[in-house]
Amino acid sequence: SQQGEEDPQALSIQEGENATMNCSYKTSINNLQWYRQNSGRGLVHLILIRSNEREKHSGRLRVTLDTSKKSSSLLITASRAADTASYFCATITQGGSEKLVFGKGTKLTVNP
Amino acid sequence: NAGVTQTPKFQVLKTGQSMTLQCAQDMNHEYMSWYRQDPGMGLRLIHYSVGAGITDQGEVPNGYNVSRSTTEDFPLRLLSAAPSQTSVYFCASSYSGGRQETQYFGPGTRLLVL
Repeated sequence: SQQGEEDPQALSIQEGENATMNCSYKTSINNLQWYRQNSGRGLVHLILIRSNEREKHSGRLRVTLDTSKKSSSLLITASRAADTASYFCATITQGGSEKLVFGKGTKLTVNP
Repeated sequence: NAGVTQTPKFQVLKTGQSMTLQCAQDMNHEYMSWYRQDPGMGLRLIHYSVGAGITDQGEVPNGYNVSRSTTEDFPLRLLSAAPSQTSVYFCASSYSGGRQETQYFGPGTRLLVL
């Protein structure tokens, strides 16, 4: 079963608005990563947040992590049409596994 | 650096045929993995390798074989293709196994099994 589950499954906003996507997971993690996938392309790493971190920024991206609620959020500020893509969270569980497990993704559409 | 490369980009197979999806990386990464991506299912891990000579199964390994004879290459073999294996396949690599590191993805191989 999927470790991470993104919410919502799809999101449509206007250019300039902020977009927030959420990820929930089931078991304790070492870190959580967010990836972007443009249509027909491979995934591109956006940001990694470790289990002892609560917030991380990268340009227009802000990621938060709440380990007590087993959830993370990705905020894209001042969105652009070029941000249109699917966004996935991925987790490494504690306990020695080398597996990175992905959620099903949020499809973001930014309308010009 | 070319990064992670995959060949072919697109392939059509008939049920029962076998084929090998190629994956190569030139970043000297230890960890490599194969995922399949199906609509509504996200990415599912097929097999992974933490170094040359070492492979292990992921979530959906049935019907697929892998080997890792070199650091650079991690081919995925379909032994007897089935329509259920119609999917987009992605290869990824990272320096230390994903636990602390970014995964670098290839462009994908679209496979259609008739």
